[in-house]
Amino acid sequence: EIVLTQSPGTLSLSLGERATLSCRASQSVSSGYLAWYQQKPGQAPRLLIYGASSRATGIPDRFSGSGSGTDFTLTISRLEPEDFAVYYCQQFGSSPWTFGQGTKVEIK
Amino acid sequence: EVQLVESGGGVVWPGGSLRLSCEVSGFGFDDYAMTWVRQAPGKGLEWVAGINWNAGSKYYADSVKGRFTISRDNALYLQMNSLRAEDTAFYYCARGPAIRSSLWYFDYWGRGTLVTVSS
Repeated sequence: EIVLTQSPGTLSLSLGERATLSCRASQSVSSGYLAWYQQKPGQAPRLLIYGASSRATGIPDRFSGSGSGTDFTLTISRLEPEDFAVYYCQQFGSSPWTFGQGTKVEIK
Repeated sequence: EVQLVESGGGVVWPGGSLRLSCEVSGFGFDDYAMTWVRQAPGKGLEWVAGINWNAGSKYYADSVKGRFTISRDNALYLQMNSLRAEDTAFYYCARGPAIRSSLWYFDYWGRGTLVTVSS
């Protein structure tokens, strides 16, 4: 099973700042099969990025994903009020599909 | 508009059983794989089970293998037996890959149903 470790656990930033979230895999994720989700309190997760760098339908271009192998990054270029949430990475390169433990982006 | 609506959650004794359902609309259900993901209160996401478009392939997390069964006909189901306290969670259904795709990321999610295992 591929274990995903996200860092930091919590990111405290101000509106307009850049957020950089990390997701590290315990072994290589084949073909960059990694996704990112956003979850707000009381809501279901929302798909942001798939295939490491492809934005899902309707996702603003301030969200970008990068990486390969074992190291992946989600970047939010300029934080908007609605971006404060918990973010999860998920690998779909090999079963069982696994999620990271999440990074909370909070208002500083 | 794509919609997924879970039902069937509730409070159950340890060792008991529960069957969750997920009704979908707004897309061709038979054209997509489906999955269940759970989230214990205040915790992270855990993938539970997946089923391909024609129910020919089913996948389970080790934590539920042998106790949970995923199935589908006109809706998605999760039969949960031998429930334990650690199965307490919100259970979300989500849409998986389309036919001819094996990319198991999840692009639409329901709002979840809460399962509480407690005496």
